[in-house]
Amino acid sequence: NAGVTQTPKFQVLKTGQSMTLQCAQDMNHNSMYWYRQDPGMGLRLIYYSASEGTTDKGEVPNGYNVSRLNKREFSLRLESAAPSQTSVYFCASSEQGEKLFFGSGTQLSVL
Amino acid sequence: SQQGEEDPQALSIQEGENATMNCSYKTSINNLQWYRQNSGRGLVHLILIRSNEREKHSGRLRVTLDTSKKSSSLLITASRAADTASYFCATANSGNTPLVFGKGTRLSVIA
Repeated sequence: NAGVTQTPKFQVLKTGQSMTLQCAQDMNHNSMYWYRQDPGMGLRLIYYSASEGTTDKGEVPNGYNVSRLNKREFSLRLESAAPSQTSVYFCASSEQGEKLFFGSGTQLSVL
Repeated sequence: SQQGEEDPQALSIQEGENATMNCSYKTSINNLQWYRQNSGRGLVHLILIRSNEREKHSGRLRVTLDTSKKSSSLLITASRAADTASYFCATANSGNTPLVFGKGTRLSVIA
């Protein structure tokens, strides 16, 4: 049982490049989330999907787009990466209102 | 913006001692959750306490919730070196809203 799987684990981008972070869960959860974690800032919500077919902005959505491809998969896209997007990104899934299951994270550096 | 604020930001104790971390929040909640994060890893759920509950136990963990003071505490009894990690509280305003995380408490347990 893999839980929440994120790829890639590490990525280095140049300013202006684009990339997509992939996330998949095998727990049949309705809700999926993307958070970013910066030193001293805790976790901040970028986007979430309460159910298949819906997506909503979180606290820090600027510069990101998401796609809920199906119930299992929720991707995060950076169209034109900026140094301010250097962070650790976590995907998570849950049933609404219940505990979150997190992936192992993607460490992204934008130079 | 962060809903929960953990206190202290960092805590260092000897193995065998108890560790207490506090979380204060601003608005009414549906539930409050505590998570643990080992260095370089994803977050792992510890305990969920609902707004109509006052105390919950799980092994060496004890969580209290005081909705009148908008605060919660996490007590780890008989701490071990393996408890060294960051601990985060997270709150949900309703069953359908995503969790909002605090900035965390870094706990160091010295053998």
